Amino acid sequence: AQSVTQLDSQVPVFEEAPVELRCNYSSSVSVYLFWYVQYPNQGLQLLLKYLSGSTLVESINGFEAEFNKSQTSFHLRKPSVHISDTAEYFCAVSDGNAGNMLTFGGGTRLMVKP
Amino acid sequence: GAGVSQSPSNKVTEKGKDVELRCDPISGHTALYWYRQSLGQGLEFLIYFQGNSAPDKSGLPSDRFSAERTGGSVSTLTIQRTQQEDSAVYLCASSFRWNEAFFGQGTRLTVV
Repeated sequence: AQSVTQLDSQVPVFEEAPVELRCNYSSSVSVYLFWYVQYPNQGLQLLLKYLSGSTLVESINGFEAEFNKSQTSFHLRKPSVHISDTAEYFCAVSDGNAGNMLTFGGGTRLMVKP
Repeated sequence: GAGVSQSPSNKVTEKGKDVELRCDPISGHTALYWYRQSLGQGLEFLIYFQGNSAPDKSGLPSDRFSAERTGGSVSTLTIQRTQQEDSAVYLCASSFRWNEAFFGQGTRLTVV
């Protein structure tokens, strides 16, 4: 069965600093990769996704993630964070060999400090 | 509606009572998921429906939990003989094949 590991449960960072949230998944031939964000007291919403094509994908608010097949990773990065980026971030993998079932990581709480 | 709809948005029930939570997925979405999220915690997978295939029930925490999906659309999650540890936000999501899942706003269940 597919498993998704987010190595950091919490990441504190100062405003305007760069950040990387790590995500690794168990090996599979056919995967589709997603990052979701949950702002305080809100629902989950899609941040960005990799389905095919360029391995570097970007969101509208400056986040990017790179699919690395050899390292089975899909780390999320932002060069300069804002206070408003404070949220819980979830990595998810859809496994084509498991009926495309979506599996989530445990989440990383990003805490941006002024 | 355009999104995933869950009802009720809030439910307070007494310990030992049964509850039913409803999810209306996005029209045409073949996959439907139920998760629960306890306060400040991550997503706990409960059950996965994909088309006409047998559901993946591997995440249901006990036999007090069951779910069905009628006509490949609406889904109901039933919790029998509720316990205080069942208190959580229950989230439903739907997707089309391998594409991203869209989440509802959840049902906040409080067992008193």
